[in-house]
Amino acid sequence: KAGVTQTPRYLIKTRGQQVTLSCSPISGHRSVSWYQQTPGQGLQFLFEYFSETQRNKGNFPGRFSGRQFSNSRSEMNVSTLELGDSALYLCASSAGLAQETQYFGPGTRLLVL
Amino acid sequence: AQKVTQAQTEISVVEKEDVTLDCVYETRDTTYYLFWYKQPPSGELVFLIRRNSFDEQNEISGRYSWNFQKSTSSFNFTITASQVVDSAVYFCALSGRSGNTPLVFGKGTRLSVIA
Repeated sequence: KAGVTQTPRYLIKTRGQQVTLSCSPISGHRSVSWYQQTPGQGLQFLFEYFSETQRNKGNFPGRFSGRQFSNSRSEMNVSTLELGDSALYLCASSAGLAQETQYFGPGTRLLVL
Repeated sequence: AQKVTQAQTEISVVEKEDVTLDCVYETRDTTYYLFWYKQPPSGELVFLIRRNSFDEQNEISGRYSWNFQKSTSSFNFTITASQVVDSAVYFCALSGRSGNTPLVFGKGTRLSVIA
């Protein structure tokens, strides 16, 4: 099976812009979770989608949003970018039933200038 | 609240040495799940192992072994005869039983294996 894929892998934006990141889960997986990784805060949970519905949400401002499509692919959007949004954004997929193992993609490295 | 502590920020060993990475967790859930992930320089988190709270049996997989002790809330990871390819950041993570709760990660331990 192909693993989790994320596009783009690298992105440079300027403050105030918005960005959309994409994640394609492992075939058959219905749950997609997003995490932000920074040197200061470590790995933090953003949100999780299951069957096109947001099932869990972390403690991030409303500038961070996401959605999931019927084919389980997910996108996350960050509006009005701030310098502090520079991070590695990791997507993880799982079957979504009970407490399944999450498998991670390679991440999108976002740099905000 | 759930919490994972990896007290070792960085460890440096010489190739072929054994190394143990410590992980201590806190949770009020009676059923929970523990994980270890490896993050090489490429950035991707690679799944290594998952343990359920009701299964305290230790596990060995090749050069890797895990010691889960509920009495001390620890889930330590040992690499035997370390190799340069083991150099990475290792994360311990915890999730609860409710719904599909998100992973709570420790800060990670950066392991450098020197040839």
